[in-house]
Amino acid sequence: GAVVSQHPSRVICKSGTSVKIECRSLDFQATTMFWYRQFPKQSLMLMATSNEGSKATYEQGVEKDKFLINHASLTLSTLTVTSAHPEDSSFYICSAKTATIPHTFGSGTRLTVV
Amino acid sequence: DAKTTQPPSMDCAEGRAANLPCNHSTISGNEYVYWYRQIHSQGPQYIIHGLKNNETNEMASLIITEDRKSSTLILPHATLRDTAVYYCIVRVYDGQNFVFGPGTRLSVLP
Repeated sequence: GAVVSQHPSRVICKSGTSVKIECRSLDFQATTMFWYRQFPKQSLMLMATSNEGSKATYEQGVEKDKFLINHASLTLSTLTVTSAHPEDSSFYICSAKTATIPHTFGSGTRLTVV
Repeated sequence: DAKTTQPPSMDCAEGRAANLPCNHSTISGNEYVYWYRQIHSQGPQYIIHGLKNNETNEMASLIITEDRKSSTLILPHATLRDTAVYYCIVRVYDGQNFVFGPGTRLSVLP
């Protein structure tokens, strides 16, 4: 079946630094990828929708200059958390879909900002 | 998108069937019912989806009422590894993002 790989699975960074998270569709080409954030004991919240070759669409309240999304190919989208602060610590999850493949999620990235 | 309502938590004995309900009374004719689950600290995993007919795969069965206002996910023989949060999501087939509710936290007990 369809597989989405997310890397790294966990990362610890210092406050003020930037962190890049990669999301790859391994055996299919995803025209659209999505980035979610999940705080402890809460549900997934959509951050942005990423279409290959175009600018990402951000949800209300998500700062596009802080959460940089690049979808340069049909198999790779990246999320960069810039100038990270402790409140950005969260579980970040990507998903990918096509017209025939339902949303397939990555395994998530646990970001801890210290 | 149609809103879904699920019980916050359920328990099930290991080896027994787990029946997880979902209400989606405002579902539209072209909206599918999707079920995903999320095991702790992992990304959600696809389970099954359907439009109006009942569906079955190697993981579960999906029973959708005739009026499509509710559905039930059935795990026929629950194991401890089925302990997870189960999300019922209603969306058009080729729609964009999923909107996740709080889901049902299923605990399978030995």
